[in-house]
Amino acid sequence: GENVEQHPSTLSVQEGDSAVIKCTYSDSASNYFPWYKQELGKGPQLIIDIRSNVGEKKDQRIAVTLNKTAKHFSLHITETQPEDSAVYFCAASINSNQFYFGTGTSLTVIP
Amino acid sequence: GAVVSQHPSRVICKSGTSVKIECRSLDFQATTMFWYRQFPKQSLMLMATSNEGSKATYEQGVEKDKFLINHASLTLSTLTVTSAHPEDSSFYICSAIPGGGYTFGSGTRLTVV
Repeated sequence: GENVEQHPSTLSVQEGDSAVIKCTYSDSASNYFPWYKQELGKGPQLIIDIRSNVGEKKDQRIAVTLNKTAKHFSLHITETQPEDSAVYFCAASINSNQFYFGTGTSLTVIP
Repeated sequence: GAVVSQHPSRVICKSGTSVKIECRSLDFQATTMFWYRQFPKQSLMLMATSNEGSKATYEQGVEKDKFLINHASLTLSTLTVTSAHPEDSSFYICSAIPGGGYTFGSGTRLTVV
């Protein structure tokens, strides 16, 4: 089955700096890659996603890139703010039938 | 967008009692729902897949007699933690896949005292 690895497990950045979280996947058939943000005491919320026919997608300060050849995708957060502090999960899916999650990255933005 | 509603958000119960957690799909039908458990500062651990009208599929190591799952309708799945013990204290999250996306409930913080 699919195996998703996520790095780093923890990340601290100064406010205003950029944060990058990377994930790799093993199954080349995976074609949908969502990212989730989980704030303390809440369920994960979808923040951005990308499909395999696209190499990059951007939504304001958040962007995701996908390299199908290397089977890795990354989340980029620019101009980080304290409210970006949370745990972020990546996931990979084949046709949205089953989702495989990374182990999460705890991001801390230091004011 | 699609909403998965989970209740209660917090529950405290005494050891030996049972607790029921509800997961509802509010604006879509979900033949399949998923139940996760999450310990502090740890990742999501899939416990079981809930299937409407049939038995749930449990992940290896999850006690099906302790974590009873019922998916009696296309909009409701319930997780009952039976004879709860302090080690069952955790954050439980349900999810579903409406229209190709993966949506989580808001989670339930269970504390067993």
